[in-house]
Amino acid sequence: SQTIHQWPATLVQPVGSPLSLECTVEGTSNPNLYWYRQAAGRGLQLLFYSVGIGQISSEVPQNLSASRPQDRQFILSSKKLLLSDSGFYLCAWSRTLSEQYFGPGTRLTVT
Amino acid sequence: QKEVEQDPGPLSVPEGAIVSLNCTYSNSAFQYFMWYRQYSRKGPELLMYTYSSGNKEDGRFTAQVDKSSKYISLFIRDSQPSDSATYLCAAGGSFQKLVFGTGTRLLVSP
Repeated sequence: SQTIHQWPATLVQPVGSPLSLECTVEGTSNPNLYWYRQAAGRGLQLLFYSVGIGQISSEVPQNLSASRPQDRQFILSSKKLLLSDSGFYLCAWSRTLSEQYFGPGTRLTVT
Repeated sequence: QKEVEQDPGPLSVPEGAIVSLNCTYSNSAFQYFMWYRQYSRKGPELLMYTYSSGNKEDGRFTAQVDKSSKYISLFIRDSQPSDSATYLCAAGGSFQKLVFGTGTRLLVSP
C-alpha cells in the first residue's frame, strides 16, 4: 500500500529565516506530487505540482519554491519567511488524472 | 466566481440524522469529483471518488453528481459524533489538478 510522509509536523520560525519542508511517498512510482497551503477558515490553495523529477509548476507567485530531487521526494523551500507564510502545509500524491491522497501536514507558524 | 462553491457551515445535526452536504461548480470540463473528510489539525482523507454523473455508495456514505446542474452532494446516513469534521468537495478534469471547495464544518451531537 502507499503511504505519504511529511516532516516536520510542526514548526515555529522567525520572520526572515529559511524554510525546508519535506514530503516522501512510498509504495508507488512516478506519482504526481502537490504542495498545498491551508490557511485558517480558507480552502486548499495549490502552491506547486510536479509530474516528474525536476518538473515543477508554480501556481501562485510568492517567496516559496519547490524541488523534486527524486521520484518520490518533494521539497518546499523558502529563503526568507514572511508572516503571511504561516499556515498548514499539505503534500499530496496522485496517479495521473485521479484522486489525490494527502499527507498529515506541517503546521508552520512564522513569528 | 469560484470554480467550486461550498457552504462553510457549521451544520449541526443530532446523532442518527441524515446529513446532506453540497457543492456547486462552474467548469463544465470537470469530469471527476471527490469528497474528503478533514479532522482538526489533520490532513484530508479521501472518502468518495466519482467519475462523471451518477451515484456511488460506500457504507453510510453516498456521493451524487448531477453534471446537468453542476451539483455535487454527499449524504451521510445514521450520522455519528465521529463524523464531526470538515468535509471538502473537489473536482478535476483533463488536467493534473483538482479544485477544492472551502469545506463545510459538520457537528454531530450525541
